Amino acid sequence: EIVLTQSPATLSLSPGERATLSCRASQSVSFYLAWYQQKPGQAPRLLIYDASSRATGIPARFSGSGSGTDFTLTISSLDPEDFAVYYCQLRSKRPLWAFGQGTKVEIK
Amino acid sequence: QLHLQESGPRLVKPSETLSLTCAVSGDSVNTRTYYWGWIRQPPGRGLEWIATIFYSGSTYYNPSLKSRVTISVDTSKNQFSLNLTSVTAADTAVFYCARQDVVGAHFDYWGQGILVTVSS
Repeated sequence: EIVLTQSPATLSLSPGERATLSCRASQSVSFYLAWYQQKPGQAPRLLIYDASSRATGIPARFSGSGSGTDFTLTISSLDPEDFAVYYCQLRSKRPLWAFGQGTKVEIK
Repeated sequence: QLHLQESGPRLVKPSETLSLTCAVSGDSVNTRTYYWGWIRQPPGRGLEWIATIFYSGSTYYNPSLKSRVTISVDTSKNQFSLNLTSVTAADTAVFYCARQDVVGAHFDYWGQGILVTVSS
């Protein structure tokens, strides 16, 4: 079973600052890694798939990188609407799917 | 425009079976391009993948839930369903249905979610 570990659990930043979120897999998942944003009371929204491809309609300030076991979601300049919880998600070869435990980006 | 809508009882008694349906509009579940899946989120906690199905009937289950979960698809009604048996209070959660890309396997479209409470 592959486990995803996200860090930090909480990120306290101000609007306009850069956010860097980490996701580490216990085994290599190639590039089958996605990122989601979730706001209170809403379903998650796909941001990034295949580690670095932005989903339709996602602003360019969101970018993803990494491969193998270490992945990063970067928000280049935080907009007030970006304060939310972010999840990474993998697909293993079996196939099985799993989510990380989430990183909350809060206003400092 | 793709739309997924979860439906089912919002209150289930302990030890009973939770049954949910996801109605799909704007796309066909009878497609080789996508999987269809269920995810849940206990109040105040993170996301947990439950199960996934392909139009052919191939199924994939979270090992931690496999003994209690069944996912099925009804192509004639363009919907798929989830059964979770022997529920306890720990199964209280918002349940989401979602479409999954076959190649990348990410969840690209989600339903709004349905809160199911397990309580006597």
